[in-house]
Formats: sequence, C-alpha cells, structure tokens
Amino acid sequence: KQEVTQIPAALSVPEGENLVLNCSFTDSAIYNLQWFRQDPGKGLTSLLLIQSSQREQTSGRLNASLDKSSGRSTLYIAASQPGDSATYLCAVFTGANSKLTFGKGITLSVRP
Amino acid sequence: GAVVSQHPSWVICKSGTSVKIECRSLDFQATTMFWYRQFPKQSLMLMATSNEGSKATYEQGVEKDKFLINHASLTLSTLTVTSAHPEDSSFYICSAIDFNGLYEQYFGPGTRLTVT
Repeated sequence: KQEVTQIPAALSVPEGENLVLNCSFTDSAIYNLQWFRQDPGKGLTSLLLIQSSQREQTSGRLNASLDKSSGRSTLYIAASQPGDSATYLCAVFTGANSKLTFGKGITLSVRP
Repeated sequence: GAVVSQHPSWVICKSGTSVKIECRSLDFQATTMFWYRQFPKQSLMLMATSNEGSKATYEQGVEKDKFLINHASLTLSTLTVTSAHPEDSSFYICSAIDFNGLYEQYFGPGTRLTVT
C-alpha cells in the first residue's frame, strides 16, 4: 500500500529565504508525482507534475525534483515571499484505474 | 492548465434535506472524477471514484446510499448528500483526470456544506 510522508508538518521562514519541502513515498512504481498548493478554505492548485521518467520540473521560482528509486521528491522555492504562505501537498499517482495518494501536507508561513 | 468548476461554492441546509453538488470539467473530457472531503486542518479524504457511464467506486467506510454519485456525461459528475446531518458538514472537493498522456489531476475550488 502506497504511503506518502511529508515532514515537517509546518515550517516558518523569513521572507527571501530559499527553502526545500520534502516528500517521500514507499512504492516506487508510480506514474507521476504532483505538487499542489492549498490556501485556507480553497481547493487545490496544481503547481508541478513530474512524470516517472523525469528528474525535475520547473515553473518560475519553483523547482520539483524526483528520485523514484529512493522514493523521494523535493519542492524547491526560491526567494520565498509572504504570498507563498499556504499548505503544500505532494501526491503520487500509480496509473490508470488508480487514485492519488496524498501526504498530509506542509503548512508554510513566510514572515515579512 | 485545465479548469474544474464546482457549484455551489457554499451551501447551508437543514437536517434531513438533500444537497446536490456539481463538478464540471470545463475544457477537457473527464471519464474519471474523484470526490474528496476535508475536515478543518486535515488532509483530503477520498470518498469515491466516479466513472462516466458506470457506478462509482466508494472507499471503505463511505456510505454509498448517503453519498450518491452520478457521472452522466464526460464533463459532469454530481454528489448528492442525502438526508444530511450536522456531521456531514465539511468541505467537499472534486477532481478530474485529464487523460492527455500525463494523467494530471485538476481540482475544483471546493464546496463548503453546513448542515444546521
């Protein structure tokens, strides 16, 4: 059974800091991995999707990496801003007729 | 990216009544949609997988007679909470898979249900 872990559960950093959010999963037989952002009371916004054959994806100040063999992914946020404050979730998808398995998320607070 | 909408965004109803929530994929066809519920400060809990033209697959512990799911077209799935009780109050979120080879999932903005 796939399990996804995100540690720590919460993180507080000063504005401008570069930071790394970690995600680990137990079964390396994944189709893709997605990073999402959720603001309080809102739905999920897809940030980055990495296919199992890819090593990383970049979008603006965000970079996500994937090491499938070790069951790890990281989301790198450069030059953090207060507007980046949100909960970040990673989720793995094991293919057709499957479902996303989510981590519990990391609540990020960026202090001005 | 693709867009998934939900309607209504929030609803208040009385105990014993039924509430229908719609989930639409606006610019792609979604043969598979998912329904989640989320309690405050907790992660999403998958309730069921909705497949177009067939019966939904419910997760263990989810009452299929209480949470009726209909996926009548490639762009619309509905979740009906029947005989709602206060404990059904929650944030309900749907998602849809864009089978474009990437299997990327897109989420709706959620529906806040309050049962009084």
